[in-house]
Amino acid sequence: GQQLNQSPQSMFIQEGEDVSMNCTSSSIFNTWLWYKQDPGEGPVLLIALYKAGELTSNGRLTAQFGITRKDSFLNISASIPSDVGIYFCAGQRNTGFQKLVFGTGTRLLVSP
Amino acid sequence: DTAVSQTPKYLVTQMGNDKSIKCEQNLGHDTMYWYKQDSKKFLKIMFSYNNKELIINETVPNRFSPKSPDKAHLNLHINSLELGDSAVYFCASSHTSGGVETQYFGPGTRLLVL
Repeated sequence: GQQLNQSPQSMFIQEGEDVSMNCTSSSIFNTWLWYKQDPGEGPVLLIALYKAGELTSNGRLTAQFGITRKDSFLNISASIPSDVGIYFCAGQRNTGFQKLVFGTGTRLLVSP
Repeated sequence: DTAVSQTPKYLVTQMGNDKSIKCEQNLGHDTMYWYKQDSKKFLKIMFSYNNKELIINETVPNRFSPKSPDKAHLNLHINSLELGDSAVYFCASSHTSGGVETQYFGPGTRLLVL
């Protein structure tokens, strides 16, 4: 089955640094979502994007829906230790009974 | 007041056994899902139910049989467990508002087949 490609696969940064990660697809999605998975937990929705070119923020997180509808970016500013986890992008072609296709994940480690 | 709950959290069993995982959501959502997350953390959808009816069935062996007794519950029964079934299984539920669907995940069931 299709998966979205995320890069980088993993990042190890110092507290206070900014982080950027992206997600690319060979096909178009109409909705892009970013989830975070803490160790031992299920994914939690961070940001949802519904229009090409849309830029949305949630606290220190900012995500963009690529203009081609084949990619999305997530930035985290001023990282803190609790940002540690796996970040997944997910794409959905249409709303309503359409499956989410998940990215390969970006593991983030933050050193205090 | 857990939104999406799963039991058990951990399940260790022998190859060839039959086991069930249960999922309940108290969010009043109509749609529920089962996902499988493998050792490389890849998340893939397995099934989706809407109002107790199957709407998505990915290419999953027929040893896996979901059952939805009501729209708040979606259970997963696995027959003749194999080593490759070892994974974390996540249940999720979703609602759609203004044409926008939002999915909420449970905490996962960690299945280890020996």
